[in-house]
Amino acid sequence: ETGVTQSPTHLIKTRGQQVTLRCSSQSGHNTVSWYQQALGQGPQFIFQYYREEENGRGNFPPRFSGLQFPNYSSELNVNALELDDSALYLCASSLERNTDTQYFGPGTRLTVL
Amino acid sequence: KQEVTQIPAALSVPEGENLVLNCSFTDSAIYNLQWFRQDPGKGLTSLLLIQSSQREQTSGRLNASLDKSSGRSTLYIAASQPGDSATYLCAVRFLGSGYALNFGKGTSLLVTP
Repeated sequence: ETGVTQSPTHLIKTRGQQVTLRCSSQSGHNTVSWYQQALGQGPQFIFQYYREEENGRGNFPPRFSGLQFPNYSSELNVNALELDDSALYLCASSLERNTDTQYFGPGTRLTVL
Repeated sequence: KQEVTQIPAALSVPEGENLVLNCSFTDSAIYNLQWFRQDPGKGLTSLLLIQSSQREQTSGRLNASLDKSSGRSTLYIAASQPGDSATYLCAVRFLGSGYALNFGKGTSLLVTP
């Protein structure tokens, strides 16, 4: 059984650019959630996708968007990057949307200059 | 506003000591509470999950308690080891917040040999 994987590991962008982060869910999991973790803070919920549809969203602007594919892999897209978007981005997969156990990936460290 | 607070922010103890990490939350209407471990620059590993109807959960040297009415949880680590050094995060799933986990900022634990 493979775990949750994320790519890339690290990424450096400049303000105003766009970025796409990728997540491969654990085998058989149809639900993925994305979190943003700024340095020294706890993760903040961005949104959740269930069977390719957005299933809940946190307090993030529309320039944060996502996709979930038929194989349940997922992307997080951020447009018009701002300096405050610098953070560790974590994805977590679960077997079903109402399953409490979530498996987190290692994260993507995004730096915006 | 639904918030999760963790005290202390950092803790340093000598190897072998028993220790307690604290988590408080502002709304007693919760589905469950989880404790996670995060190693530097890494993703999250789930340690214990307590449903709202439960009072405690145990796994090896770890014991987590939940007092929903007072909005508090504690994570007890027995006979601490240097390998326990990490950041410990408390996350609450509040009723009405969908499937989002609301995290505290964490307690950074250092166990010295």
